[in-house]
Amino acid sequence: AQSVAQPEDQVNVAEGNPLTVKCTYSVSGNPYLFWYVQYPNRGLQFLLKYITGDNLVKGSYGFEAEFNKSQTSFHLKKPSALVSDSALYFCAVRDGGATNKLIFGTGTLLAVQP
Amino acid sequence: EAGVVQSPRYKIIEKKQPVAFWCNPISGHNTLYWYRQNLGQGPELLIRYENEEAVDDSQLPKDRFSAERLKGVDSTLKIQPAELGDSAVYLCASRDGTLGEKLFFGSGTQLSVL
Repeated sequence: AQSVAQPEDQVNVAEGNPLTVKCTYSVSGNPYLFWYVQYPNRGLQFLLKYITGDNLVKGSYGFEAEFNKSQTSFHLKKPSALVSDSALYFCAVRDGGATNKLIFGTGTLLAVQP
Repeated sequence: EAGVVQSPRYKIIEKKQPVAFWCNPISGHNTLYWYRQNLGQGPELLIRYENEEAVDDSQLPKDRFSAERLKGVDSTLKIQPAELGDSAVYLCASRDGTLGEKLFFGSGTQLSVL
């Protein structure tokens, strides 16, 4: 069965510093990996995805994520955090060889201090 | 282009009462999802439609939950009777399978069962 883990409930970072939000996954086939962001009282918004190709994928708002097959990880990164990046971030995975079922992690709250 | 529209935005009911949520996906999106998001958790899939067909309802508590997507466009999710544990945010999402893996989410319906 597919699963995704976000080991950190919250990540705190100072504005201007680099940020990393961690995600690990488990699927039986090829992973389709995603990051979504949720602002207060809003629906989830797509940030980026990895399906195939380059391990480093770039997404919206300056975010990027690195696919690491050996570590089964897909960490979200940004070189310089903004206060406006403060939100809830969800990693999600789909087994590319099986159903169209997208499984979400429990989320990581990113708090960027001015 | 309008996004995924959900209504109502908030709903407060007493336990054992029925409740219904409505979702209008983005025009042309053939895949529609209903997710439930408990406080502090990631979204959990309840049901997925491909056009008017429910292709994955394994997580839907069928004793009290039902859903329909007549004509393969908008969809309704119903709970009858509601229980205290049903309090959550119910999210609808849609996807155009021909354009890739990105899901578009509505703002959700926040249900409080008293």
